[in-house]
Amino acid sequence: AQSVTQLDSQVPVFEEAPVELRCNYSSSVSVYLFWYVQYPNQGLQLLLKYLSGSTLVKGINGFEAEFNKSQTSFHLRKPSVHISDTAEYFCAVSVNTGFQKLVFGTGTRLLVSP
Amino acid sequence: DVKVTQSSRYLVKRTGEKVFLECVQDMDHENMFWYRQDPGLGLRLIYFSYDVKMKEKGDIPEGYSVSREKKERFSLILESASTNQTSMYLCATRTSSGANVLTFGAGSRLTVL
Repeated sequence: AQSVTQLDSQVPVFEEAPVELRCNYSSSVSVYLFWYVQYPNQGLQLLLKYLSGSTLVKGINGFEAEFNKSQTSFHLRKPSVHISDTAEYFCAVSVNTGFQKLVFGTGTRLLVSP
Repeated sequence: DVKVTQSSRYLVKRTGEKVFLECVQDMDHENMFWYRQDPGLGLRLIYFSYDVKMKEKGDIPEGYSVSREKKERFSLILESASTNQTSMYLCATRTSSGANVLTFGAGSRLTVL
């Protein structure tokens, strides 16, 4: 079975600073990897995904993530955050065959202050 | 864009009541899911459906059931609500083909007193 670990429950950062949200996964087979974002009082929306190919994936709102198979990681980065990036971020993994059930991490709350 | 609508954003129920949470999608997505979201636990899959009248248990199905009589509608049922079912419930959909990208509704926050 697959699992996802997001070690940081909360990451405080100042506006315009860079940020990295960490995600590690566990799986015995090849996977798809995702980052979803949840703004206050809303459902989740897809930020970016890794399916295959280039290990550096670019998403919406200036975010990017890098798939590192040897370290089983898929960390999310942004070079300069805005107040509006304050939200909860979820990493998720699924196998790339069969029904592809999605397994989510526990989430990281990004708090951007002026 | 696919729209996933959860009609009840906030509900307050009493212990022992039967609760229905409705989810409707406006596209022809085959797969639908119910998750619950709790602080520090992330999202946990309760049930999913890969087609009309088909359902499968997720990771935490105890105390819940589901119904999918039409393709666009997936209902989550709490037969006898308990206080430990106080949570945010999220419905999601996806196509059966292609990558595993879910589209979520805005959520239904249930409080059981």
